[in-house]
Amino acid sequence: SQQGEEDPQALSIQEGENATMNCSYKTSINNLQWYRQNSGRGLVHLILIRSNEREKHSGRLRVTLDTSKKSSSLLITASRAADTASYFCAPKTIYNQGGKLIFGQGTELSVKP
Amino acid sequence: DVKVTQSSRYLVKRTGEKVFLECVQDMDHENMFWYRQDPGLGLRLIYFSYDVKMKEKGDIPEGYSVSREKKERFSLILESASTNQTSMYLCASSPDGFNTDTQYFGPGTRLTVL
Repeated sequence: SQQGEEDPQALSIQEGENATMNCSYKTSINNLQWYRQNSGRGLVHLILIRSNEREKHSGRLRVTLDTSKKSSSLLITASRAADTASYFCAPKTIYNQGGKLIFGQGTELSVKP
Repeated sequence: DVKVTQSSRYLVKRTGEKVFLECVQDMDHENMFWYRQDPGLGLRLIYFSYDVKMKEKGDIPEGYSVSREKKERFSLILESASTNQTSMYLCASSPDGFNTDTQYFGPGTRLTVL
């Protein structure tokens, strides 16, 4: 399965600290995407990293990709209470017809003020 | 901005009822998806569609059907609702193309089947 598996399942930190979430997958990918879900809402796309990229930044977000280890990490720097949410990775292979993504169970991040 | 709307935020139905969940997107996306989300199980793909009148089964299609008569609209149908279909239902759409397949999600419908 090309499903991403996030680690840890839950993470609790203080405001201002950095949060790191990891994602592992099993098959070769075209890209890997990270999404955020606030409680009871739909998912929001955060960042997409292509298979030929190693690192990507967007504001306080930093994503790395290691295709040799089939893993990715999402770093949120200087976290805020508003970052409290669930975070999902979604690896995408060329074999996924019609833009299909497989989401894992996510990492539940709690940022305490 | 891409907008994906779902017909209801909350829905309560009785066992055996036929239930329609509607999803509409306004960005002319080719692909549309229906997921359900349950605690401890993450998002699971029910059905997806990559073109009008085209549909493909996802990982858990049993008990569901879909309809895509127009590009912007993707409907999920529970032919005879059961209590184990109580869940959060999420619709998403994405454009077609290599490395441009970000999915845009609706706000979700929380369905309770009594």
